[in-house]
Amino acid sequence: GAGVSQTPSNKVTEKGKYVELRCDPISGHTALYWYRQSLGQGPEFLIYFQGTGAADDSGLPNDRFFAVRPEGSVSTLKIQRTERGDSAVYLCASSPGRNNEQFFGPGTRLTVL
Amino acid sequence: DQQVKQNSPSLSVQEGRISILNCDYTNSMFDYFLWYKKYPAEGPTFLISISSIKDKNEDGRFTVFLNKSAKHLSLHIVPSQPGDSAVYFCAASPLHYSGGGADGLTFGKGTHLIIQP
Repeated sequence: GAGVSQTPSNKVTEKGKYVELRCDPISGHTALYWYRQSLGQGPEFLIYFQGTGAADDSGLPNDRFFAVRPEGSVSTLKIQRTERGDSAVYLCASSPGRNNEQFFGPGTRLTVL
Repeated sequence: DQQVKQNSPSLSVQEGRISILNCDYTNSMFDYFLWYKKYPAEGPTFLISISSIKDKNEDGRFTVFLNKSAKHLSLHIVPSQPGDSAVYFCAASPLHYSGGGADGLTFGKGTHLIIQP
């Protein structure tokens, strides 16, 4: 079956612009996670959805970052007024339930010029 | 402050030999540990996990050992193969079996394993 997919694979934007990153989880997976991986670092947790609701958004760095999952499947990570420091690979993962193995997508590489 | 530490950025091992990757953690609330493998331009792929109620878990060529008193775990790969060359991430989660956590995973910085022919 299909794994987690993320679009776009690469996104280049200018400082101050708004971007949206999309994640399609594995069908039937109720849990969805967003992580950010900066160069030379491990993935850093941003937000976790159980169904449609954000169960834990403690990893979001500031209020420029927001994520939604309106129908409990596809999720969109939204970044307003992008800054150069937002440049990173944004990873999405899904799992069948809260305490299960997480399956990762290939990531979206965001570059803010 | 890094709660999960992988102190070796890279490790070179000869094909056929044992690869040992190490991981230390500081948060005593962590009770579930995972290893992920990552190739360039791909997302991390789950390898093996261990809960704090065990000290060893084995899956084929991969074995993870957990030493709770030392807050240390290691991943052993025997025998090492060229396809094992990748970045390996150690990750941890708190309160897994009490159901109170296991939301976001906390990752180390990774160890780049290079298997030499």
